Amino acid sequence: KAGVTQTPRYLIKTRGQQVTLSCSPISGHRSVSWYQQTPGQGLQFLFEYFSETQRNKGNFPGRFSGRQFSNSRSEMNVSTLELGDSALYLCASSLHRATDTQYFGPGTRLTVL
Amino acid sequence: AQKVTQAQTEISVVEKEDVTLDCVYETRDTTYYLFWYKQPPSGELVFLIRRNSFDEQNEISGRYSWNFQKSTSSFNFTITASQVVDSAVYFCALSNQTGANNLFFGTGTRLTVIP
Repeated sequence: KAGVTQTPRYLIKTRGQQVTLSCSPISGHRSVSWYQQTPGQGLQFLFEYFSETQRNKGNFPGRFSGRQFSNSRSEMNVSTLELGDSALYLCASSLHRATDTQYFGPGTRLTVL
Repeated sequence: AQKVTQAQTEISVVEKEDVTLDCVYETRDTTYYLFWYKQPPSGELVFLIRRNSFDEQNEISGRYSWNFQKSTSSFNFTITASQVVDSAVYFCALSNQTGANNLFFGTGTRLTVIP
């Protein structure tokens, strides 16, 4: 079974721009979660989508948003990029319950200049 | 509140040595789940183990073993006869059963195995 895929793998943007990251979950998985990883803050939960609905959200500003499509693929968007948004963005998928194991993709490394 | 502490920031061992990575957690929930993930230089988080709060049995998988002790709120991870391929950052994580599907991660332990 194919794992979680994320595109693109690397992105370079400038301040003020916006960016969209994509995540395709493992086949059959209906829950997709997003995490941000930075050297200073570590791994932090952004949000989770299940059945096209945001089920949970972490403590991030409204510039961070996401959505999920009917095939469970998910996208996250960051508007008005700031230097501090430079990070590795990881997507994880799980079957459906909150406590199912999450399997991670390779991540998208975003650099904001 | 949920919290995971990995006090060891970096550990270096010589190949074939055993190494234990510590994880201490805090939660008010009686039902919770603990995880270990490995993050090699490529960046992807690789799932290693999941344990629920009602199962305190230790687990062994090849060279890996896990010691879960609710009395001390610890979930330690031991690698026996370490290999260079074990070099990575290891994360301990906690989730609860509130319906919120998010993992609380520790800060990670960077393990370097020296050949």
